[in-house]
Amino acid sequence: DAGVTQSPTHLIKTRGQQVTLRCSPKSGHDTVSWYQQALGQGPQFIFQYYEEEERQRGNFPDRFSGHQFPNYSSELNVNALLLGDSALYLCASSRLGQENEKLFFGSGTQLSVL
Amino acid sequence: KNQVEQSPQSLIILEGKNCTLQCNYTVSPFSNLRWYKQDTGRGPVSLTIMTFSENTKSNGRYTATLDADTKQSSLHITASQLSDSASYICVVRGVNTGFQKLVFGTGTRLLVSP
Repeated sequence: DAGVTQSPTHLIKTRGQQVTLRCSPKSGHDTVSWYQQALGQGPQFIFQYYEEEERQRGNFPDRFSGHQFPNYSSELNVNALLLGDSALYLCASSRLGQENEKLFFGSGTQLSVL
Repeated sequence: KNQVEQSPQSLIILEGKNCTLQCNYTVSPFSNLRWYKQDTGRGPVSLTIMTFSENTKSNGRYTATLDADTKQSSLHITASQLSDSASYICVVRGVNTGFQKLVFGTGTRLLVSP
């Protein structure tokens, strides 16, 4: 049983560019959350998707957008990249109402903006 | 404001020694608290969950405690191993805080030295 998978593992972009990160949830999970983790910091909640809709959003600008597909996989899009967007982007999946909604994290995508 | 504070920020111990990590929170009403272990460049992995009625719970060499009155939790690691070197993140979930709104601590970075 594959866990949460994210792609790509590493990415280098320049300021102003756009990026798309992808996430496949753990089998049986229907909810996907995205987090941004700066070096030495805890993860910061970006948003969460359930039933193909954004259900919750953290304090991130509209440059951060996402999507969830019918197969529960998800994408995170970031437009007009800034140097400060350099971070580890984590995807976490869970199943609504199960196991106190324990999160299973992927290994993340390390984004570097130059 | 819902917050989770962890101490110490970083810690170096010798292999075989014990250590205790602290987590203080202000999240209220409280639902549960999880300790996650995050290896460098990887996603966090859940070690244990503490609910309101639980005072202590063990997972191998890891023992978590919870004092819901003082809003404090600790993670005790016994007979540390080199593989325990990681960041340990405390995550608190509140009640009625939205679809899924978790509050993350910034983590304690543990280095176990040979």
